[in-house]
Amino acid sequence: DQQVKQNSPSLSVQEGRISILNCDYTNSMFDYFLWYKKYPAEGPTFLISISSIKDKNEDGRFTVFLNKSAKHLSLHIVPSQPGDSAVYFCAASDSGANSKLTFGKGITLSVRP
Amino acid sequence: DSGVTQTPKHLITATGQRVTLRCSPRSGDLSVYWYQQSLDQGLQFLIQYYNGEERAKGNILERFSAQQFPDLHSELNLSSLELGDSALYFCASSVTGGAGELFFGEGSRLTVL
Repeated sequence: DQQVKQNSPSLSVQEGRISILNCDYTNSMFDYFLWYKKYPAEGPTFLISISSIKDKNEDGRFTVFLNKSAKHLSLHIVPSQPGDSAVYFCAASDSGANSKLTFGKGITLSVRP
Repeated sequence: DSGVTQTPKHLITATGQRVTLRCSPRSGDLSVYWYQQSLDQGLQFLIQYYNGEERAKGNILERFSAQQFPDLHSELNLSSLELGDSALYFCASSVTGGAGELFFGEGSRLTVL
């Protein structure tokens, strides 16, 4: 049972345009959401997070939006740069003492120069 | 560099064999997590240790076991290996055992022939 779903396996955008990466979740207990970025031959690295008490969090070119009623979040990258080409994982957890991160399958983003 | 060290980086072995993957967490991090990434799959949570004790268990097979030692390094033991165990195994660490940002190592790529 995939509790965190990234239904689009890949996305290709032109440099300078907006990249929108989507993520859906099914577990209503999830209240903390993160995006990780992964380059080939490297481990995932933390990008940005959002708590369920917010609906938006911004960090430079990266903004994450959360729609709790729809159990949907999205990562916007503006403007997209070739160096943003990577696999992006959406992850979620609840706030329990023994919580763990549940990851989606990832989206491969390609930014064309 | 996340500060999390995993060895070996690559491992090729035969079915039925046993291997041990090693992880040294970031200095000061008490919690260690193990994740498995198979082809076309997201990061599947296997197990978490916090300060030497098992904290949470995911979809870890009975053929797999792990432990965290007093110096906080962790080992993941995989036995009676099958072809389907071929995957990237990531170790991650965090300061606390609860929800939050994880710091990942570069992974150990296991190939079972």
